[in-house]
Amino acid sequence: AQTVTQSQPEMSVQEAETVTLSCTYDTSENNYYLFWYKQPPSRQMILVIRQEAYKQQNATENRFSVNFQKAAKSFSLKISDSQLGDTAMYFCAATFPQGAQKLVFGQGTRLTINP
Amino acid sequence: DSGVTQTPKHLITATGQRVTLRCSPRSGDLSVYWYQQSLDQGLQFLIQYYNGEERAKGNILERFSAQQFPDLHSELNLSSLELGDSALYFCASSASTSGGAISYNEQFFGPGTRLTVL
Repeated sequence: AQTVTQSQPEMSVQEAETVTLSCTYDTSENNYYLFWYKQPPSRQMILVIRQEAYKQQNATENRFSVNFQKAAKSFSLKISDSQLGDTAMYFCAATFPQGAQKLVFGQGTRLTINP
Repeated sequence: DSGVTQTPKHLITATGQRVTLRCSPRSGDLSVYWYQQSLDQGLQFLIQYYNGEERAKGNILERFSAQQFPDLHSELNLSSLELGDSALYFCASSASTSGGAISYNEQFFGPGTRLTVL
């Protein structure tokens, strides 16, 4: 079975600090996609960043970057210069393009940015 | 705004009742996915439709069913509701579903329907 695990239920940092959220996954497939989604209090699911497993280069989107370690099946999210608006639940997710492309989610990490 | 609409936003009903949740995908998207977010189970995939046909099933209860209509909107029907069915139900849509090894079409999520079963 393909699983995604987030071991940090909650995290809290001061504004402008850098924070790293952890995620591990388990799959026997070689080709897959990994994502970080943000869910603010509005409950909307917002895609933050995605990583294709066949790409060695870590994805970056402005202040958000990932550390993708394929052999270790690890996919962490780094938020630099954190802002109050980054306060949200963050979900790590994976999808496996063979056949249906359902998203498998981790349990989520509640991130609070303090002023 | 993702372009995916869901109605209603909130739904309060009693145990044993039946409800229908509606989803309109982004213009041109053929695939619709339903997800359930609950405190107990987290976010989990329920079912996927592609161009009117069921494509994949996840952890969907037999009391639940879905369909996708010719105009591509989808409905999720929940019957014999139990307290544990209280959750946020998301619909997502994507351009297509592909069996290729290296391809993916981003899923765009709707705002969700909050179901409360009393």
